[in-house]
Amino acid sequence: KQEVTQIPAALSVPEGENLVLNCSFTDSAIYNLQWFRQDPGKGLTSLLLIQSSQREQTSGRLNASLDKSSGRSTLYIAASQPGDSATYLCAKGRNYGQNFVFGPGTRLSVLP
Amino acid sequence: DAGVIQSPRHEVTEMGQEVTLRCKPISGHNSLFWYRQTMMRGLELLIYFNNNVPIDDSGMPEDRFSAKMPNASFSTLKIQPSEPRDSAVYFCASSLYPSSSTDTQYFGPGTRLTVL
Repeated sequence: KQEVTQIPAALSVPEGENLVLNCSFTDSAIYNLQWFRQDPGKGLTSLLLIQSSQREQTSGRLNASLDKSSGRSTLYIAASQPGDSATYLCAKGRNYGQNFVFGPGTRLSVLP
Repeated sequence: DAGVIQSPRHEVTEMGQEVTLRCKPISGHNSLFWYRQTMMRGLELLIYFNNNVPIDDSGMPEDRFSAKMPNASFSTLKIQPSEPRDSAVYFCASSLYPSSSTDTQYFGPGTRLTVL
């Protein structure tokens, strides 16, 4: 069974919509939870990191929440823009911040 | 800072050949990670180093893969002999060690490897 899953696998929305990406993980022994963005042909860029003692983090139009008891995290993107089009990966930190397990990602397309 | 630097960006080789991928972490970072990304398996951690010492290599698929970090500013991932199933994008990432719970990893642009 995959340790980290993400739904949906792909999402296409018109510009301006608010949207939610979902991440689920097994094993509540989580150190932190991180959301990354990956543009085609590029590496990953960290967006938000939530420590296990926190419930959410915000950066601009992005808000990420963490519910350890249910094994879920969500990434909320407000007022989406075409520039938000990318693949979004969540990653669970399993120990002292060194060892991340990545989900398969959600491929987001924001249409102008 | 230039960020994490990887070379080459693209590599095409024939089955059986030796392949060496290179990585320069961000200056001052003491942890280095090698990942492999494929459509089928997603992003997988292969190995990571703290202060140039390999800490966890359980993700290395088999003995054909080896990684070294001779100093704080350079690491290599070698595949010998290469096979078509090794075709993937290989990422290097670095982070500050010892890390805090707020520390993140910084990724390089990746090396796209194609083994024919």
